[in-house]
Order: sequence, then C-alpha cells, then structure tokens
Amino acid sequence: QKEVEQNSGPLSVPEGAIASLNCTYSDRGSQSFFWYRQYSGKSPELIMFIYSNGDKEDGRFTAQLNKASQYVSLLIRDSQPSDSATYLCAVNTPGFKTIFGAGTRLFVKA
Amino acid sequence: DTAVSQTPKYLVTQMGNDKSIKCEQNLGHDTMYWYKQDSKKFLKIMFSYNNKELIINETVPNRFSPKSPDKAHLNLHINSLELGDSAVYFCASSQGAGVQETQYFGPGTRLLVL
Repeated sequence: QKEVEQNSGPLSVPEGAIASLNCTYSDRGSQSFFWYRQYSGKSPELIMFIYSNGDKEDGRFTAQLNKASQYVSLLIRDSQPSDSATYLCAVNTPGFKTIFGAGTRLFVKA
Repeated sequence: DTAVSQTPKYLVTQMGNDKSIKCEQNLGHDTMYWYKQDSKKFLKIMFSYNNKELIINETVPNRFSPKSPDKAHLNLHINSLELGDSAVYFCASSQGAGVQETQYFGPGTRLLVL
C-alpha cells in the first residue's frame, strides 16, 4: 500500500463547478496535511494546510480532514480554468518526513 | 528576490559525468530539502538538513551527496550519472523541521542524462 494515495485523474469539471480532490494516507501517526498545486513545468506551491479534524476554509478552497478514516480532501468552489493543475497531497509523518501523493490532475473546462 | 533559488535550471549531460546542483534560500529558514520528481510526477524526498545537519537520508544511491555549507545553502553533487537520474530535482526550505512546517520550493532543475 502506498503511503499517500491519490486518484491520478484527470478530473474534469466545468467552470463554476465544485472540484473534489481526495487523498488517503497509511501512517496513523501523521499529524499535518498539506495541499500543493503544481502547474505544468513549475514548482509545487502551497494551497492549504490542515492539522485538526474537520473543515478549514480559505477563500474558494476547503480542506477536510478525518483522521479516523485517514482521509483528507480538498474542495475547490467556483472552479476556474486557472485552477487547472496537478494537486499534490502531502503528509508529514512522525519521523518529520513529508510524503507526497502522486497528484491528481484537474482540468477546468471553460 | 527569489525566496528559494536553484542553479542551473536545465542540465543536459552524458552518462558517467559528475554534476552539481546548487540551492540557496533567503527566507532565514533552518531546514532545507532535496526532492526528486520523476517522469510520472511523483515527488520523493531524498535528503533533509536542519541547521547544516543531515536529518533525513532516504534510500538514495551513494552517488548522490548533499552538502550544506551554511543554513542558507544546500547543494547536491551527483557522481557517475545514469540514465535513470533524469528527473526534475527540487530544493525546498522550511522554518524548522517540525511536523507542522510548510515547505517552500525552488523552481527546479531539469536534469537530462543522455
């Protein structure tokens, strides 16, 4: 089992819709969770981080964490074509190591 | 005033050569990292240094040797380059090495071994 799993996609949504990106992780001791966005040919940039169970909202983005289910998700409301990118889920393990998922490619159709 | 910078951006070289990639951060961070992103876009940690001390050393061939002359710099030297080393190498930094630290990535170095 991979340590951090994401559906590789591509996930295609129409402009204005909600995009839902999911991630599961295997290390129950993991304490912090991050979503990075990576445009083609560019470096990853942080979208959001979440440490506690529940929802965390920042503008059009909402991160959701369920530690019991070892599940973290990212919702993007009112999706825009500029949101088209690969979204990387990252998990910080108790050993201070950051494990990245393989990423989900998102396409937002105008 | 780039926060995390890497040189060179592109590196094309022959198998068997030795090459170095340099990374510098001006964020005042204590911790720096090297990641490798392969053709499938999978980003995998290679090394991490905190205050010039090696704290993470993943299963990486001995041909890869990191060096941190000071907190603001982390270089990666690769000996006897192989075809499989072709990838994008990202440097990153964070304030500290704690589990809640956010990492900031450099622009990447695209290495192609022929």
